[in-house]
Amino acid sequence: QLVESGGDLVQPGGSLRLSCTASGFAFSKYWMSWVRQAPGKGPEWVANIKYDGSETFYADIEKGQFTISRDNAQNSLYLQMSSLRVEDTGVYYCARGVVPRGSTVQYYFDLWGQGTLVAVSS
Amino acid sequence: TMLTQSPATLSLSPGERATLSCRASQNIYSFLAWYQQKPGQPPRLLISDAFNRAPGIPARFSGSGSGTDFTLTIASLEPEDFAVYYCQQRTGWPPVYTFGQGTRLEIK
Repeated sequence: QLVESGGDLVQPGGSLRLSCTASGFAFSKYWMSWVRQAPGKGPEWVANIKYDGSETFYADIEKGQFTISRDNAQNSLYLQMSSLRVEDTGVYYCARGVVPRGSTVQYYFDLWGQGTLVAVSS
Repeated sequence: TMLTQSPATLSLSPGERATLSCRASQNIYSFLAWYQQKPGQPPRLLISDAFNRAPGIPARFSGSGSGTDFTLTIASLEPEDFAVYYCQQRTGWPPVYTFGQGTRLEIK
């Protein structure tokens, strides 16, 4: 399972660090992602990281604002968020990546945490 | 690549057949997934690679299509199937992952 933590109410321009702890599977063998969902909206991919941490990718709107990282020894995934804006408000999910046979990159998300709420408001 | 789902809302009764559509703005071959989301819960993977059911997903769920047009079919609706459904794809390098805007399946 995946358990997120670290969500909070923060003022615009503030920073926050989200964590996700994995259990029940070989965390170090999987791509991992952060996906967020604004109230009443569909999911939006934020960032992902290769199983060994050697590659990271970000949605265009997040580049420079968010940093994804992982600690395979601790079975943990992180998202450092800075310069937060009101439009960053939402539930942030940690999600495990699916790499189709014959591919070397994640395509889908097959295991999700329950999410942690980030609210950006003055 | 944008994904457009239709209809936005589908009103059906238990036992009926549901057909949900997802159209991609460019050819994504068969690299499409479908998710189900219920209120207060995270999305749940139903289908990957356009037609492969995820482990534990009932056989009444099936996916089809390739290229730009995809369909999720629920053969005979059960009460627990009423939820929001999203399609999702990954294209390009560096990879970008996009979701459709969702179809709400509601009880008629």
